[in-house]
Amino acid sequence: DAGITQSPRHKVTETGTPVTLRCHQTENHRYMYWYRQDPGHGLRLIHYSYGVKDTDKGEVSDGYSVSRSKTEDFLLTLESATSSQTSVYFCAIKRASGGAFTDTQYFGPGTRLTVL
Amino acid sequence: TQLLEQSPQFLSIQEGENLTVYCNSSSVFSSLQWYRQEPGEGPVLLVTVVTGGEVKKLKRLTFQFGDARKDSSLHITAAQPGDTGLYLCAGPSGGYQKVTFGTGTKLQVIP
Repeated sequence: DAGITQSPRHKVTETGTPVTLRCHQTENHRYMYWYRQDPGHGLRLIHYSYGVKDTDKGEVSDGYSVSRSKTEDFLLTLESATSSQTSVYFCAIKRASGGAFTDTQYFGPGTRLTVL
Repeated sequence: TQLLEQSPQFLSIQEGENLTVYCNSSSVFSSLQWYRQEPGEGPVLLVTVVTGGEVKKLKRLTFQFGDARKDSSLHITAAQPGDTGLYLCAGPSGGYQKVTFGTGTKLQVIP
């Protein structure tokens, strides 16, 4: 358990509304990630952060923005939600394992978002 | 972009059967990991393989990294209902800051 919580756990919203998902960690890890999970696609990276105010895009970043003003919190915002953003969203941290190329990702419990 | 393709996408078997899941890429990876995800939860790391040809065993699960480090396999012996879940392979990318996940194999073991 890496002390990762996500809120809300479930959300239903309407097309065109803004939505913010929160990820909170308790272990001061430098790296945090947002993924979306859809059937047949595994996990796809949306954005990630490598420190406070340091973020970068992943492979499916269009329509999403992120912010990290504190080490423990990483926010994902859908500026204007669309039905294609209906998905399960996972936050993760990276914990170094001490060996080369073997860092482990620890995931939160996920947020199920439905955009009607 | 390094892609990881997994096969099969779905697998439904009877308890006690053996199965193999594959993870393939056209790119070389310095390491590959396998995660298992149970319904309603986030993925959890099972194993990391780092050397071409490496074989690791975790009880009834056997993981192998291909000699050329472009592929990996997961073999489960005598599958049990508790093995049910989504199996994801993953490899480092983007200067090791990021991880690329495979497309996933959804396994159902029927009692």
